[in-house]
Amino acid sequence: GQNIDQPTEMTATEGAIVQINCTYQTSGFNGLFWYQQHAGEAPTFLSYNVLDGLEEKGRFSSFLSRSKGYSYLLLKELQMKDSASYLCAVRGVYGQNFVFGPGTRLSVLP
Amino acid sequence: DGGITQSPKYLFRKEGQNVTLSCEQNLNHDAMYWYRQDPGQGLRLIYYSQIVNDFQKGDIAEGYSVSREKKESFPLTVTSAQKNPTAFYLCASSSKRGNTGELFFGEGSRLTVL
Repeated sequence: GQNIDQPTEMTATEGAIVQINCTYQTSGFNGLFWYQQHAGEAPTFLSYNVLDGLEEKGRFSSFLSRSKGYSYLLLKELQMKDSASYLCAVRGVYGQNFVFGPGTRLSVLP
Repeated sequence: DGGITQSPKYLFRKEGQNVTLSCEQNLNHDAMYWYRQDPGQGLRLIYYSQIVNDFQKGDIAEGYSVSREKKESFPLTVTSAQKNPTAFYLCASSSKRGNTGELFFGEGSRLTVL
C-alpha cells in the first residue's frame, strides 16, 4: 500500500521560517516532489529530492531521509504570497506514477 | 510557449450526461495524467498514459474513460456512471528526459453537476 501524510493546516507570521513535514510509506521510491498550489489554481513544482540530504533553492529548501520515509519543506523569510497549499508527492519505481499527500494549507499572517 | 491547455475551465452538467474534458500539451512529453481534487483533499489519480495508444487505471478510474490517440492529447470522459463527479480536474504531463521528470499541470477544469 501507499500512504503519504502531512499536517492539514499551519499558520506562520510574515518574515518567519516554517517547516512542513511529510512522511511516506510506499511500495517503491523514485523521488519526492514538493508542489505549491494557490486556491483554485494548478500546482506548480517547487523541489525534488531523490537522494538523502538537503536541496536549497532560494527561500525554499527540501530535505529527504529515505530510511525514515521523511521529508520536509522549509520556507524562509515568509511572504504573504506564500499562503497556499503545499503538496508532497512520491514517484514510484515503475513507470511514472506519482502519489500525492493530502496537502498542507499554510496561512501567512502579517 | 510550451504548456498544457485544459478546456473548458468551468463546466456544468446535468445528472445522467457524459462530459469530455480536453487536455492538450505541446511539451513533447510522453506521459500524461488525469487527477481529481476535492475540497481540502490531495490529488487522486484517475488514469495515466505513458505512450500513445496505451493507458492504465489509477486509484479512482470507475466512471471515467480516456483515450490516447495522439501524443499531444489525453481527453477524459466523465460518464454518468461516476456517482459524485463534481470536482476540480487536473491534467498533467511529464517526461523521462531531463533532470527531475516533474509533473507539469494544466490550469484545471472545474466540473459541477446540477
